[in-house]
Amino acid sequence: QQQVRQSPQSLTVWEGETAILNCSYEDSTFDYFPWYHQFPGESPALLIAIRPVSNKKEDGRFTIFFNKREKKFSLHIADSQPGDSATYFCAASEDTGGLSGKLTFGEGTQVTVIS
Amino acid sequence: GPKVLQIPSHQIIDMGQMVTLNCDPVSNHLYFYWYKQILGQQMEFLVNFYNGKVMEKSKLFKDQFSVERPDGSYFTLKIQPTALEDSAVYFCASSSDWTSAETLYFGSGTRLTVL
Repeated sequence: QQQVRQSPQSLTVWEGETAILNCSYEDSTFDYFPWYHQFPGESPALLIAIRPVSNKKEDGRFTIFFNKREKKFSLHIADSQPGDSATYFCAASEDTGGLSGKLTFGEGTQVTVIS
Repeated sequence: GPKVLQIPSHQIIDMGQMVTLNCDPVSNHLYFYWYKQILGQQMEFLVNFYNGKVMEKSKLFKDQFSVERPDGSYFTLKIQPTALEDSAVYFCASSSDWTSAETLYFGSGTRLTVL
């Protein structure tokens, strides 16, 4: 059962542009929404995360926008740099009172930033 | 930052053989996880493990799978016997806190190829 959907599958942007990655979910009990990035041969690493009490979370050039009503959340990478080229995964979990660490992942977006 | 090490990075075996994937979690972590990622698909939760016990497992965690962490050494995933559909990248993760996935750290994965 596919519970977290991610798009696009791949994305190419010019250096300095904003990359936008989208995710949607089905399970209303999800209450923690992280984004991970993964460079080739390396571990997936937590980039930024949000909980439904907020509709926006910023960390430097990375911003999550969250729409609880539509069950959608997105990652915006502002002023994209070639070093941002990686695979990005969105995920969701029942973090409060649930089985933490049991993340449901999206399919991933391969981001390429060209200069 | 904290590192989860996975050994080996690649493993090729014949169908029907047994394989053990090893994970060296972050030293003070108590909660351990395995995820499976088939090529081109998303990572999917297999199992989590705490205090010597499986706490929850998904439908992907077949009867041929087992996990253990004898005497605080490696956290292992054993598949016996292996099947062709077990070919995937297996990610180990560990966390220090049951209540939040924010403390979850992933290894870089073991690519298992079953011939």
